Amino acid sequence: SQKIEQNSEALNIQEGKTATLTCNYTNYSPAYLQWYRQDPGRGPVFLLLIRENEKEKRKERLKVTFDTTLKQSLFHITASQPADSATYLCALPLGNSGYSTLTFGKGTMLLVSP
Amino acid sequence: EAQVTQNPRYLITVTGKKLTVTCSQNMNHEYMSWYRQDPGLGLRQIYYSMNVEVTDKGDVPEGYKVSRKEKRNFPLILESPSPNQTSLYFCASSPGTARRNQPQHFGDGTRLSIL
Repeated sequence: SQKIEQNSEALNIQEGKTATLTCNYTNYSPAYLQWYRQDPGRGPVFLLLIRENEKEKRKERLKVTFDTTLKQSLFHITASQPADSATYLCALPLGNSGYSTLTFGKGTMLLVSP
Repeated sequence: EAQVTQNPRYLITVTGKKLTVTCSQNMNHEYMSWYRQDPGLGLRQIYYSMNVEVTDKGDVPEGYKVSRKEKRNFPLILESPSPNQTSLYFCASSPGTARRNQPQHFGDGTRLSIL
């Protein structure tokens, strides 16, 4: 079955370091992948989308890579700040209904300490 | 301001008492969806709608109903709520289906407790 895996353990890093989060998927070849940020008790907020023919995408301090051979996406936050502390979700168009739905990973919590 | 609005934000109710959670978006989006989020299980899709009068089941539709009579509204109905439906619920919308690479815009969530 199709599956999305994100590290369930929280990632703790110090301010100023680069945070790297991983999203792995199996049994599928998605046309794109999205990353979202979710703060406690709030809805996810879209950050970046990367297509299968794009190896890398950047937005300010954020960088996403997409390796369709490894079936993996890496999400990097450079020069991390305490305000970056949140849960980060990856999402792919999985499913059996003609790609009509977006399926989310369970997310990885990032904690940036001053 | 572009937004997805859910009401209520919090609700405590009892088993069997019908309830409706409303969702409205002001972006003229075609696609709307309901998710529930539970610890350790992540976001799971309940129902989605690709346009007015077009709805379909997601991964966990049992015990829920939806309707899409107008483009902007997509209410979630629990006809006979049970304690296992205690959860944090999110409504989301996007301009098109996932095939169109569109990001989803989420509401702020409804925390539902069923005793």
